[in-house]
Amino acid sequence: SAVISQKPSRDICQRGTSLTIQCQVDSQVTMMFWYRQQPGQSLTLIATANQGSEATYESGFVIDKFPISRPNLTFSTLTVSNMSPEDSSIYLCSVEDRTDTQYFGPGTRLTVL
Amino acid sequence: GQQLNQSPQSMFIQEGEDVSMNCTSSSIFNTWLWYKQDPGEGPVLLIALYKAGELTSNGRLTAQFGITRKDSFLNISASIPSDVGIYFCAGQLAGYGNKLVFGAGTILRVKS
Repeated sequence: SAVISQKPSRDICQRGTSLTIQCQVDSQVTMMFWYRQQPGQSLTLIATANQGSEATYESGFVIDKFPISRPNLTFSTLTVSNMSPEDSSIYLCSVEDRTDTQYFGPGTRLTVL
Repeated sequence: GQQLNQSPQSMFIQEGEDVSMNCTSSSIFNTWLWYKQDPGEGPVLLIALYKAGELTSNGRLTAQFGITRKDSFLNISASIPSDVGIYFCAGQLAGYGNKLVFGAGTILRVKS
């Protein structure tokens, strides 16, 4: 399976600021996704990161709040904008291989004060 | 929205016991996946199931894709302390492409 890294692994941020999370894969993949995991909860899909075009967002998530870039087949970023304490979560990227199986990165643990 | 009902929510078992957890839905799935998440880590894939009726093992783990394509179970045999963690089922809904829907998770605690 692909090796996925995320930066930063964790951060503590002030309300009103923005944080950009990076996801790097060691091989080219077609599908990349961003998930949010709120404290004590399961994973919720934020968006599909499309290479060369705008991301596809799930209901309840908007581009202004969670802008996503996907400049190539091995890299994506998720920005959490104008943060509030409710944005405190683990943010995870995942990639899909040729068998339609998704693998997850280690996650970015975000705390907003 | 689409939901997966995962049970039990948590389990506290003796080391050496077998464990069983399952996920059900009213929707049909093309793929079922089982993940384990340790504290501070991302989910790690345990078993992937691609066909209705498929039964797959990975060491002490066994999982099955239900015949109706609406359910799946995961069994862990002879549990050990390192089995502690949160187990998630996830499925790719028929007609919704590659998107994964996750169950709420089963918290497994093992008494040594």
